[in-house]
Amino acid sequence: DQQVKQNSPSLSVQEGRISILNCDYTNSMFDYFLWYKKYPAEGPTFLISISSIKDKNEDGRFTVFLNKSAKHLSLHIVPSQPGDSAVYFCAARRDSNYQLIWGAGTKLIIKP
Amino acid sequence: DAGVIQSPRHEVTEMGQEVTLRCKPISGHNSLFWYRQTMMRGLELLIYFNNNVPIDDSGMPEDRFSAKMPNASFSTLKIQPSEPRDSAVYFCASSSGAAGQETQYFGPGTRLLVL
Repeated sequence: DQQVKQNSPSLSVQEGRISILNCDYTNSMFDYFLWYKKYPAEGPTFLISISSIKDKNEDGRFTVFLNKSAKHLSLHIVPSQPGDSAVYFCAARRDSNYQLIWGAGTKLIIKP
Repeated sequence: DAGVIQSPRHEVTEMGQEVTLRCKPISGHNSLFWYRQTMMRGLELLIYFNNNVPIDDSGMPEDRFSAKMPNASFSTLKIQPSEPRDSAVYFCASSSGAAGQETQYFGPGTRLLVL
């Protein structure tokens, strides 16, 4: 049972435009969501997170939106840069449970 | 801060051999996680420790896999005997474990190839 789904295996965006990565979840008990970025031959690195008590969190070019009623979150990157080309993982966690549930990842390709 | 350290970075071994992967978490972190990443299954949690105690090992695929954390600064993941289907990238991650929304910090991974 995939509790966290990233339905787009890959996404190609022109440099300078907005990249939107999507993530859906099924467990309404999740209360904290994270986005990680992974370059080849490296471990995932934390990018941005959001608590379920919020619907938006912004950090520079990165903004995460949470729609709890739709059980959907999205990561917006604007403007997209070549260095943003990576695999992006969405992860979710329940309160008092350390285990993160991970999506399958979306490969973002920024075209020059 | 050196981050999470994993060794070796690459391992090539023959089927049936024992493989030991090592991890040094970030100093002060009290939660440690072992993950496996494959093309077919993505990122899977194998086991996690809190304060050196295994909390959830339900992700360990079978008895050939074992993990230990003898102290707060070291953990091992052992596969004995190894099989070709164990070929994957194995990540170790650590977090502060503080109440609230702790973030996991990943090591660079060990790329394992079992021939």
